[in-house]
Amino acid sequence: NAGVMQNPRHLVRRRGQEARLRCSPMKGHSHVYWYRQLPEEGLKFMVYLQKENIIDESGMPKERFSAEFPKEGPSILRIQQVVRGDSAAYFCASSWGGRDNEQFFGPGTRLTVL
Amino acid sequence: DAKTTQPPSMDCAEGRAANLPCNHSTISGNEYVYWYRQIHSQGPQYIIHGLKNNETNEMASLIITEDRKSSTLILPHATLRDTAVYYCIVRANKFYFGSGTKLNVKP
Repeated sequence: NAGVMQNPRHLVRRRGQEARLRCSPMKGHSHVYWYRQLPEEGLKFMVYLQKENIIDESGMPKERFSAEFPKEGPSILRIQQVVRGDSAAYFCASSWGGRDNEQFFGPGTRLTVL
Repeated sequence: DAKTTQPPSMDCAEGRAANLPCNHSTISGNEYVYWYRQIHSQGPQYIIHGLKNNETNEMASLIITEDRKSSTLILPHATLRDTAVYYCIVRANKFYFGSGTKLNVKP
């Protein structure tokens, strides 16, 4: 049973470009969570999605960031017009149920903005 | 969600038990205590979780005080591969990761 998969593992973008990060949850999981981790800091919650629905986006910046989890295919975290401050590791987690279930994390995508 | 307080770092000798404390004095009745660890820059790894009773699995034991205001994660026989940042999380809703405890297991 494959774990949570994220791609790409490393992504380099120039300022102003768009970044698309993909997350495929574990088989049977319909809940996806995105986190951001800056160097030497803990993970910060960004958004919680269930198939086709955003449940909680209280950690998402108000501009340039969006997330989706379509009926078919992976969850996508999209960052438009990236800036250097967006450089971070972005982790995706999935769970089979809602909030009271343990989350399983992917290996992360390391975004570098030049 | 309740916030947690953990020491920033701890040392442990290889083969000895590692006891990692966590304070969560504002925890509410429906919030679980979760422990994760992050080895180097990998994705966090689930270790154990509990609500009221002590829990044990193949990785660790979780001891929760009767008033639930604190807990201790116990790695019974620490190895060098247990060197990581350990996060204590209490949640009813989203996970809140604090700064964690950097556990250094030394030979």
